[in-house]
Amino acid sequence: DQQVKQNSPSLSVQEGRISILNCDYTNSMFDYFLWYKKYPAEGPTFLISISSIKDKNEDGRFTVFLNKSAKHLSLHIVPSQPGDSAVYFCAGRDNYGQNFVFGPGTRLSVLP
Amino acid sequence: NAGVTQTPKFRVLKTGQSMTLLCAQDMNHEYMYWYRQDPGMGLRLIHYSVGEGTTAKGEVPDGYNVSRLKKQNFLLGLESAAPSQTSVYFCASSRLMSGAYEQYFGPGTRLTVT
Repeated sequence: DQQVKQNSPSLSVQEGRISILNCDYTNSMFDYFLWYKKYPAEGPTFLISISSIKDKNEDGRFTVFLNKSAKHLSLHIVPSQPGDSAVYFCAGRDNYGQNFVFGPGTRLSVLP
Repeated sequence: NAGVTQTPKFRVLKTGQSMTLLCAQDMNHEYMYWYRQDPGMGLRLIHYSVGEGTTAKGEVPDGYNVSRLKKQNFLLGLESAAPSQTSVYFCASSRLMSGAYEQYFGPGTRLTVT
């Protein structure tokens, strides 16, 4: 049973437009959510996080929204740049310990 | 500042062989993790450590063992490799600080078991 789902395997967006990546979760014990970006042949790099007691966190071009009642997260990238082309992973932290559960990822392509 | 490094980068094993993957971090992080990533799936936690001398099981621990004898190193062992363990393995570390849960990942080890 997938606790973290990213139902769009891929997404294409025009440079300068908004990219919206979605994530759904089932585990009510998650207390933090994190987004990571991954380029081919590299490890994931941290982008932005949000506590389960907040509904929005912003860092530069990246904003994460959390709808706890719907168990839904979204990452907004504005404006999108070609360098943003990568695989994006959503992850939830189980507050029981240091157990992090990752979604399967969404491949974002930003077209020039 | 190298961050998180992993050794080796690539390895091919025959079924039944053993090997150890080494992870090292120079950020003085308390927590360290081992994940595996398979095609079409997210990263799955194998084992993790909350400090020197302590380890705990993650989501998919079977067939793996770990040790954390020094704070900066976290070793992942495969005692008898199986084709199902063909995967990309990532090590990560993070601080011991509430609200700062971001993990820093190494570049990965691509393991093929034939």
